[in-house]
Amino acid sequence: DIQMTQSPSSLSASVGDRVTITCRASQGISNSLAWYQQKPGKAPKLLLYAASRLESGVPSRFSGSGSGTDYTLTISSLQPEDFATYYCQQYYSTPLTFGPGTKVDIK
Amino acid sequence: QVQLVESGGGVVQPGRSLRLSCAASGFTFSSYGMHWVRQAPGKGLEWVAVIWYDGSNKYYADSVKGRFTISRDNSKNTLYLQMNSLRAEDTAVYYCAREAVVVAATTYYYYMDVWGKGTTVTVSS
Repeated sequence: DIQMTQSPSSLSASVGDRVTITCRASQGISNSLAWYQQKPGKAPKLLLYAASRLESGVPSRFSGSGSGTDYTLTISSLQPEDFATYYCQQYYSTPLTFGPGTKVDIK
Repeated sequence: QVQLVESGGGVVQPGRSLRLSCAASGFTFSSYGMHWVRQAPGKGLEWVAVIWYDGSNKYYADSVKGRFTISRDNSKNTLYLQMNSLRAEDTAVYYCAREAVVVAATTYYYYMDVWGKGTTVTVSS
């Protein structure tokens, strides 16, 4: 099984900050990676897929990059509605696996 | 609009069974693979199972293999999860999600683009 890790597990940031979240796979996943945002009590929402492709309707302040085993999610200027938990997920092979999540809260 | 609505959750005793449903609307259900994903209280997301668009292939997480069965009825636009021999650790919110795919050159990239709001399963005596 492919294990996914994320760092940091949580962070505190201010509106306007640039935020970067890292996701690492236990083996290469060839950009088969998606990022999801989840707010308390809500379903996850797709942000990016294929590591760097922005889902329709998602603000352009979200971006993704990476290759091989290492990937990043960047929020260029944090907005109040971005405070949430972010998960990466590999789609390279079953069982599909999610990272443990990164909680972004208000400093 | 594109929508997934789960139902069938509830409180059930350990060892008993429960069947979840996921009603799809606003898209051609029979053209999409479908997933179940769960989230235990205060925990992260855990993939449970996937079924191909035509039901021909199914894959499961090891934690539910042999106990849970994913199925679909394309004539009813509905996805199911039959859960048997339930355990306390199966307590979670269960989400259904649609599988999308994009092709870049010769590579297929899959992702879950539409999610339901979830249904809560509590396994407790």
